[in-house]
Amino acid sequence: QVQLVESGGGVVQPGRSLRLSCAASKFTFRSYGMHWVRQAPGKGLEWVAVIWYDGSDKYYADSVKGRFIISRDNSKNMLFLQMNSLRAEDTAIYYCARDVSGSGTGGIDYWGQGILVTVSS
Amino acid sequence: QAVLTQPSSLSASPGASASLTCTLRSGINVGTYRIYWYQQKPGSPPQYLLRYKSDSDKQQGSGVPSRFSGSNDASANAGILLISGLQSEDEGDYYCMIWHSGAWVFGGGTKLTVL
Repeated sequence: QVQLVESGGGVVQPGRSLRLSCAASKFTFRSYGMHWVRQAPGKGLEWVAVIWYDGSDKYYADSVKGRFIISRDNSKNMLFLQMNSLRAEDTAIYYCARDVSGSGTGGIDYWGQGILVTVSS
Repeated sequence: QAVLTQPSSLSASPGASASLTCTLRSGINVGTYRIYWYQQKPGSPPQYLLRYKSDSDKQQGSGVPSRFSGSNDASANAGILLISGLQSEDEGDYYCMIWHSGAWVFGGGTKLTVL
């Protein structure tokens, strides 16, 4: 069964940076596109970013474009989200998720358990 | 106007059927999009249910019962998640999603209550 385990969350002050990680296992990580999706407390799902299987293409939500960077290390089966210039409205549970395909346009089929990021002074 | 609009809540009785709608913004034709559906229960991540574009382009999620199915209502420009034989365990939030203009977009979600 696909496993995705997020780490790196916590409390951070506005304007600071944080890096989330996602450890993938039980599937061939290098063959799949990967996503970050977030959910603010009590709110709905918001897609954040996607990266192609080989890192060749990346797309971002307008709300994070220019501040967040998605990346991956296929040699270590790891996905990352570098979050800079954090704002209070970035407070959310962040989910790592797998795309159905090698690109990022196949849809999401598996999700991690999520990690909480709180932006507060 | 939001790209995808879902009713905020829906109630139905056990054993009945429930139709959850996902209306696409005017100018975005439902027939040209694969619509993905997810179920989320409190304290848990979303789970993939199915994908539907047409009867020849659809996919059921792994292990998802056949009483969950997808369709389109072209006249309403909406995707539909139909849940038949409702069970108490079907309670939760349901989200639709599409790939539009280089980004994934979620609907606001529908809270389904089975009572």
